Amino acid sequence: GQNIDQPTEMTATEGAIVQINCTYQTSGFNGLFWYQQHAGEAPTFLSYNVLDGLEEKGRFSSFLSRSKGYSYLLLKELQMKDSASYLCAVPFSGGYNKLIFGAGTRLAVHP
Amino acid sequence: SAVISQKPSRDICQRGTSLTIQCQVDSQVTMMFWYRQQPGQSLTLIATANQGSEATYESGFVIDKFPISRPNLTFSTLTVSNMSPEDSSIYLCSAGLAGDQGTQYFGPGTRLLVL
Repeated sequence: GQNIDQPTEMTATEGAIVQINCTYQTSGFNGLFWYQQHAGEAPTFLSYNVLDGLEEKGRFSSFLSRSKGYSYLLLKELQMKDSASYLCAVPFSGGYNKLIFGAGTRLAVHP
Repeated sequence: SAVISQKPSRDICQRGTSLTIQCQVDSQVTMMFWYRQQPGQSLTLIATANQGSEATYESGFVIDKFPISRPNLTFSTLTVSNMSPEDSSIYLCSAGLAGDQGTQYFGPGTRLLVL
């Protein structure tokens, strides 16, 4: 079967760096997604990794290791507006575009 | 990316009634999906909305309870039938664009409260 694990909650200080980890088990890997979801809002796409390594996009970077079934989202220069849930997701095995989501990590950024 | 709208944004319904949620995408998309997000939890896929044919449901979800239509490439509806308080949730529509690495974009969601 498929399984995704993320920490439930994290806290960090404004201006700091935080790393949100995600481990997954899936057959037939087709990439890994990170989404951001502010309370009461829809998820918004942050990143997609299909090859090993680090993808940098401004203050946010995402890393993937396929051999370890592991990804992380790195947020730099944290701002208060980064307080949100961060969802890790992978496509269903054999399913085109269908995503299975992890439970999400609630990040609270404090002054 | 795609811009997705949903109607209604929220509703309060009596048990035993049904509610139809509409999802409109601003461009032609390959795939459309319906998710449920219960309070404090992550997203659970209900079904894939197939254009011109019956939707494909995930384990635990059935057509009689959640009938879905997709008459064209940009529009879909989800009906929550014979509602009970356990159906209180946020229902989200998403769309995947062909050739976009499978990225899905989400609508703003419909907050449903069943009394």
